[in-house]
Amino acid sequence: DTEVTQTPKHLVMGMTNKKSLKCEQHMGHRAMYWYKQKAKKPPELMFVYSYEKLSINESVPSRFSPECPNSSLLNLHLHALQPEDSALYLCASSPYTPGTGGDEQFFGPGTRLTVL
Amino acid sequence: GNSVTQMEGPVTLSEEAFLTINCTYTATGYPSLFWYVQYPGEGLQLLLKATKADDKGSNKGFEATYRKETTSFHLEKGSVQVSDSAVYFCALSESYSGNTPLVFGKGTRLSVIA
Repeated sequence: DTEVTQTPKHLVMGMTNKKSLKCEQHMGHRAMYWYKQKAKKPPELMFVYSYEKLSINESVPSRFSPECPNSSLLNLHLHALQPEDSALYLCASSPYTPGTGGDEQFFGPGTRLTVL
Repeated sequence: GNSVTQMEGPVTLSEEAFLTINCTYTATGYPSLFWYVQYPGEGLQLLLKATKADDKGSNKGFEATYRKETTSFHLEKGSVQVSDSAVYFCALSESYSGNTPLVFGKGTRLSVIA
């Protein structure tokens, strides 16, 4: 299984709502990532988890709260978002191999988020 | 810091034309280099990769060679098809700690017309 799955595919939420995005992989990868992608732009890194521990937070506002309950699952909890947070949210995973120049990442299809 | 510069599109080609998308990079060490493709409404798919100098990555008729002397990783295809219409991202990763955040170029939109 070389697939990263994300749910839901689409999400519409109001600024006072609380919602969560879910990402799952069963490739045994120990690094998982959240990216945000605005239209016609490249993905921007938000968070990196390594062995279920948060290793990189790219100064993301606290209204985005990541969680990694186990090695296969990654969540992104959303609360009090703003309309400018509307974007495609991509999850990715990669093997964790220290000492190499960099592994490829496997991306999910993304969740298209609209904040009203 | 590390960065990737790629030619910005859009690029419009006729079917069976030759494709080149230029990509150059800046890195402090010895990164791995990637080309990712994004079809409309989808996530990113790895197209090809190269992990060291002079490596050639290839897939689905696309090729790119890791050129350390010119810090380049240009994407080429000899004969494009309509189905190749997508956005192409050049990217690098460089990490010796194990996790490998990608640094992306701005993307090049390719449209192939029949």
